[in-house]
Amino acid sequence: QVQLQESGPGLVKPSETLSLTCTVSGGSISRYYWSWIRQPPGKGLEWIGYIYDTVSNKYNPSLKSRVSISVDTSKNQFSLKLSSVTAADTAVYYCARDLAAGTFDSWGQGTPVTVSP
Amino acid sequence: QSALTQPRSVSGSPGQSVTISCTGTSSDIGGYNSVSWYQQYPGKAPKFMIYDVSKRPSGVPDRFSGSKSGNTASLTISGLQAEDEADYYCCSYAGSYTFAVFGGGTKLTVL
Repeated sequence: QVQLQESGPGLVKPSETLSLTCTVSGGSISRYYWSWIRQPPGKGLEWIGYIYDTVSNKYNPSLKSRVSISVDTSKNQFSLKLSSVTAADTAVYYCARDLAAGTFDSWGQGTPVTVSP
Repeated sequence: QSALTQPRSVSGSPGQSVTISCTGTSSDIGGYNSVSWYQQYPGKAPKFMIYDVSKRPSGVPDRFSGSKSGNTASLTISGLQAEDEADYYCCSYAGSYTFAVFGGGTKLTVL
């Protein structure tokens, strides 16, 4: 059973870059889609983007200009960078495995990130 | 505002059935058979409950079922139990540009 664990700073200053890492255990990171999803306080889920097998990315059009997702297969990790953050980026950030076409079968526990001076 | 529309809340008594709707467009739910549903308890990560409109992953009780008609998908929970009280989110594939869109979530209360 694959397990995912997010890590990274819980507090980011406005205009700076949010950086998170997801460590995958119990399975290879290769040949799967790996996504980041976020949930602002008291609100619904929002898909941020995915990386596939080191060769392909896709991002939410509303975030595309600020998002980058990369993978380190040697560490079985993938990472999220979101630049120029504002208070609207305050959320719990989840990493998840996507079987295909937005079917998220395994999730990390989530990590809260607050954007504040 | 979420791309898919769900009722904010539904409720039912133990043993009853409830249905949660999820309405989209022909660009997402109506155009593809890639609708999934997730159960989320407060402070916890979402749990994978239904995929490809009506398929259940291993370990999900058969009390949970999914369906789709046109641009609307539905999750039905039969034989309601207290432990079913949670938030439920739908998600649909939305094509190669948008990729995946979620509903705003529905809070299920077991009376």
